[in-house]
Amino acid sequence: GESVGLHLPTLSVQEGDNSIINCAYSNSASDYFIWYKQESGKGPQFIIDIRSNMDKRQGQRVTVLLNKTVKHLSLQIAATQPGDSAVYFCAENPRRNQGGKLIFGQGTELSVKP
Amino acid sequence: GAVVSQHPSRVICKSGTSVKIECRSLDFQATTMFWYRQFPKQSLMLMATSNEGSKATYEQGVEKDKFLINHASLTLSTLTVTSAHPEDSSFYICSARVLQGGLTEAFFGQGTRLTVV
Repeated sequence: GESVGLHLPTLSVQEGDNSIINCAYSNSASDYFIWYKQESGKGPQFIIDIRSNMDKRQGQRVTVLLNKTVKHLSLQIAATQPGDSAVYFCAENPRRNQGGKLIFGQGTELSVKP
Repeated sequence: GAVVSQHPSRVICKSGTSVKIECRSLDFQATTMFWYRQFPKQSLMLMATSNEGSKATYEQGVEKDKFLINHASLTLSTLTVTSAHPEDSSFYICSARVLQGGLTEAFFGQGTRLTVV
């Protein structure tokens, strides 16, 4: 099966600080990207998405940035809270009409210190 | 949002036995569902695409005879791990995508923790 990376990098931040989580994607033809949050023992939870024709999208406390030139995606979390502690994954939709499967990035474990 | 439910959430089985995991879309119909596998501290790896009324499409390296997928209705897909071995112990997650606002948003089940002893 397809997978990207085997190791889970970690990011530790202080409560109230901003967090930036980065992701490199593999397919230049991917047209849709999503960030997911996964808490221990649970399935991924949707956070925010972005189409390839955009370079920035904002949600509540979260912003996603897309740089297609270098195939890079980032998630910014403002005023990080302890409840934000989780593993964050980016996912890409490889190509239009490819059955809708998503390919996940390696993930980053975010730890928020109170 | 749409709800995808998996059952069971945890299962322990003996080596050599088979285990069935169910994935249900509760408030929508899903012609396509996806099965992922996740080892500790690792990412989700797509195993196969489950297609209602037809054969599943398996990713490269995934044994179709080992991981049997059945998608008999528009709300249910099942994954059966046959002749399970300890190395099959993992977290299995299903998802379905729903067309919303011109985009297909993916919803995930809560996952099934399989432990083979």
